[in-house]
Amino acid sequence: GAGVSQSPSNKVTEKGKDVELRCDPISGHTALYWYRQRLGQGLEFLIYFQGNSAPDKSGLPSDRFSAERTGESVSTLTIQRTQQEDSAVYLCASRSTVSSYNEQFFGPGTRLTVL
Amino acid sequence: QKEVEQNSGPLSVPEGAIASLNCTYSDRGSQSFFWYRQYSGKSPELIMSIYSNGDKEDGRFTAQLNKASQYVSLLIRDSQPSDSATYLCASMYSGGGADGLTFGKGTHLIIQP
Repeated sequence: GAGVSQSPSNKVTEKGKDVELRCDPISGHTALYWYRQRLGQGLEFLIYFQGNSAPDKSGLPSDRFSAERTGESVSTLTIQRTQQEDSAVYLCASRSTVSSYNEQFFGPGTRLTVL
Repeated sequence: QKEVEQNSGPLSVPEGAIASLNCTYSDRGSQSFFWYRQYSGKSPELIMSIYSNGDKEDGRFTAQLNKASQYVSLLIRDSQPSDSATYLCASMYSGGGADGLTFGKGTHLIIQP
């Protein structure tokens, strides 16, 4: 079946603009995760959704970041008033909660460049 | 503070040899461990998962976990040039998967033809 998809694949924006990143998880995966990977750095966990609820938002870097999920499917990560330090690849992953394994599968990512 | 440590490399291994990648983790509450492969410019691809002490084999890959030493390793047998990539070690604290993964910064592996 189809894997995790993300859009856009690339986004270039000007400092101060808002951006919205989209993630479409593997069908049937109720758990969804957002990560950020800055150039040359490891992956940084941002937020987790179980269904449409986000039990823990403490990983979001600042109040400019928000995320939502509807219909236990698509999720959007919104960054308001973008800053240059927001430039990174934003990765989405999903996980089946039917399986006892905690394996997460990643989408191709959105490369965000803030000028 | 949950941390996963890896040697950044590069680790250079001749084609056909065994590549050995190591990682340590700080949080004794971590229950699940994963190895991802990441090619340059691409997203991480799951290679192995391991949850219990001991070895787990899948094809040319063997993952090893020692919870007492807080140590995870990945062995790649018969290394191929296509195995050249960055290997990311990750841990998960909650058995229910409620936490995100904590990643190391990765080990850059080069397989020399």
